[in-house]
Amino acid sequence: QLQLQESGSGLVKPSQTLSLTCAVSGGSISSGGYSWNWIRQPPGKGLEWIGYIDYSGSTYYNPSLKRRVIISLDRSKNQFSLKLSSVTAADTAVYYCALGSGDMDVWGQGTTVTVSS
Amino acid sequence: EIVLTQSPGTLSLSPGERATLSCRASQSVRSSYLAWYQQKPGQAPRLLIYGAFNRATGIPDRFSGSGSGTDFTLTISRLEPEDFAVYYCQQYGDSPPMYTFGQGSKLEI
Repeated sequence: QLQLQESGSGLVKPSQTLSLTCAVSGGSISSGGYSWNWIRQPPGKGLEWIGYIDYSGSTYYNPSLKRRVIISLDRSKNQFSLKLSSVTAADTAVYYCALGSGDMDVWGQGTTVTVSS
Repeated sequence: EIVLTQSPGTLSLSPGERATLSCRASQSVRSSYLAWYQQKPGQAPRLLIYGAFNRATGIPDRFSGSGSGTDFTLTISRLEPEDFAVYYCQQYGDSPPMYTFGQGSKLEI
């Protein structure tokens, strides 16, 4: 059974880069046909898709965040990562990783990131 | 870019009643790429319905999805206490490839 687990810094200073990793267990990140997604949820608000990377390494980002986002794969560690640059308080949120194939049927538990000096 | 608008924002009902939640898209959505999720406080979203009307593994049959084109509906036939939560619709489009979520509908007692 595939499982996802987010990890990374919980506190980031304004203007710096947020970095998170999603460890994949119970399956291979190189499996075809799936997308490895990042989604976030600001406090008390709805879900926002950030972007995804597929098994080949192709990336697709939310146009509203595209200038600041990089998603990458690490096949040796069976994990994928998110970097979001030039963060502000508006980037404070719970960040989720999720497995997608048109829908998202496996989610990590989420990790809270706070942007504050 | 497709925008999903959910209604109502909040629905107040009692256990045993029927809930009907709507998701309207700004342009036509492929039914195979329309999904519904349930989210409870402090938890990650849980997939309920995929492909507009298919229940995900382990989802009770009181949950059903319907619709096509730009109008989709999630129906909960007889509300159980554990069904009170926030529900999101989501679509996937491939030109350009991206996912979009609705703003959510809160189902409260």
